[in-house]
Amino acid sequence: KQEVTQIPAALSVPEGENLVLNCSFTDSAIYNLQWFRQDPGKGLTSLLLIQSSQREQTSGRLNASLDKSSGRSTLYIAASQPGDSATYLCAVLMNRDDKIIFGKGTRLHILP
Amino acid sequence: EAQVTQNPRYLITVTGKKLTVTCSQNMNHEYMSWYRQDPGLGLRQIYYSMNVEVTDKGDVPEGYKVSRKEKRNFPLILESPSPNQTSLYFCASSSGRVAGANVLTFGAGSRLTVL
Repeated sequence: KQEVTQIPAALSVPEGENLVLNCSFTDSAIYNLQWFRQDPGKGLTSLLLIQSSQREQTSGRLNASLDKSSGRSTLYIAASQPGDSATYLCAVLMNRDDKIIFGKGTRLHILP
Repeated sequence: EAQVTQNPRYLITVTGKKLTVTCSQNMNHEYMSWYRQDPGLGLRQIYYSMNVEVTDKGDVPEGYKVSRKEKRNFPLILESPSPNQTSLYFCASSSGRVAGANVLTFGAGSRLTVL
């Protein structure tokens, strides 16, 4: 059974720092991996989607990488801002049954 | 505007009183799914649907039903709600794997309390 783990569960960093969020998965038979952002009490917003054949995707200050064979993805946030404070979740779409499995998220707090 | 619409956004009900949470998308997406989000447990998939008349169980389907009679709608039915179904529910849709599986678009969420 696929397990998706995000470490750390919470992170506080000063504004302006570059940071990396981690996502690991136990079953490499995935179709794609997505990173989402969730603000308190709100829905999820898709940030980046990486297909299984891709190594990375970039959008603005965000860069996501995928190493499918080792079961890892990272979300790199450059020059962090207070507005980046949110919970970040990763999710994988499975090849064999089209289930989507989420990690529990990393709660990020950017200190002004 | 491309969106997933859920209703109601907030609902308080009592044990055993049947309820339906509606979900509708206007993006002609093949794939639709329901999740519940609970503190410490994260987001867990309840049911999903690859297309009209095709539904499959996710990781936590017990106590829920779904139907997919039309492409745009995917209602979540709680036949006899219980307090352990108190949760924040999200509906989401995407083009599905066959169509290249684009981003998963989420609704705003429905907060359900069962007394």
